[in-house]
Amino acid sequence: QVQLVETGGGLVRPGNSLKLSCVTSGFTFSNYRMHWLRQPPGKRLEWIAVITVKSDNYGANYAESVKGRFTISRDDSKSSVYLQMNRLREEDTATYYCSRDGYDKNYAMDYWGQGTSVTVSS
Amino acid sequence: DIVLTQSPASLAVSLGQRATISCKASQSVDYDGDSYMNWYQQKPGQPPKLLIYAASNLESGIPARFSGSGSGTDFTLNIHPVEEEDAATYYCQQSNEDPPTFGSGTKLEIK
Repeated sequence: QVQLVETGGGLVRPGNSLKLSCVTSGFTFSNYRMHWLRQPPGKRLEWIAVITVKSDNYGANYAESVKGRFTISRDDSKSSVYLQMNRLREEDTATYYCSRDGYDKNYAMDYWGQGTSVTVSS
Repeated sequence: DIVLTQSPASLAVSLGQRATISCKASQSVDYDGDSYMNWYQQKPGQPPKLLIYAASNLESGIPARFSGSGSGTDFTLNIHPVEEEDAATYYCQQSNEDPPTFGSGTKLEIK
């Protein structure tokens, strides 16, 4: 079955960096765009980044709130997607999710990981 | 960015009755005759779960008491008959245009 497992969250000081990982299984990872999203406590979901597949040159797109600070990447050989987060701010505090892009479902996000919590605080 | 306005913010529905949630987009999320509106269910401490994609298509494994309708800018999620396990927050999401955006959520309580 399809599984996505995020790791790498934790407590970090403002201005510091953190790298999240999302290891997947149960599907042909290289065929799918992958997303990162986040959800601050008690708030709505916010999409933050997407990475395309090899045939689209692994293109990436970002939300304005993280552009220039966060970098999404992938390693198809490890069926994994990553989120490098630099210059973290208190407002980046959230649960971070990776999700699969359902290209055959009008790009709905059809599978999600359980999430990893990131707290940015001094 | 496309803004999605969900209503109501919360509702309480008796067991076995109908729950109706609305989602209005600030611009059309249709393209080439297809709607790019999706619905998710999220329970506390859990990730979102896809219920409905392309406005009205039921995701595999989701009970048939969930249904979606609409096109253009106006969409609806219906749950009938409501069961205890449906207590959750429901989000609409558009996938027609980057960035993908979500509604503010509707919290469903079962009476």
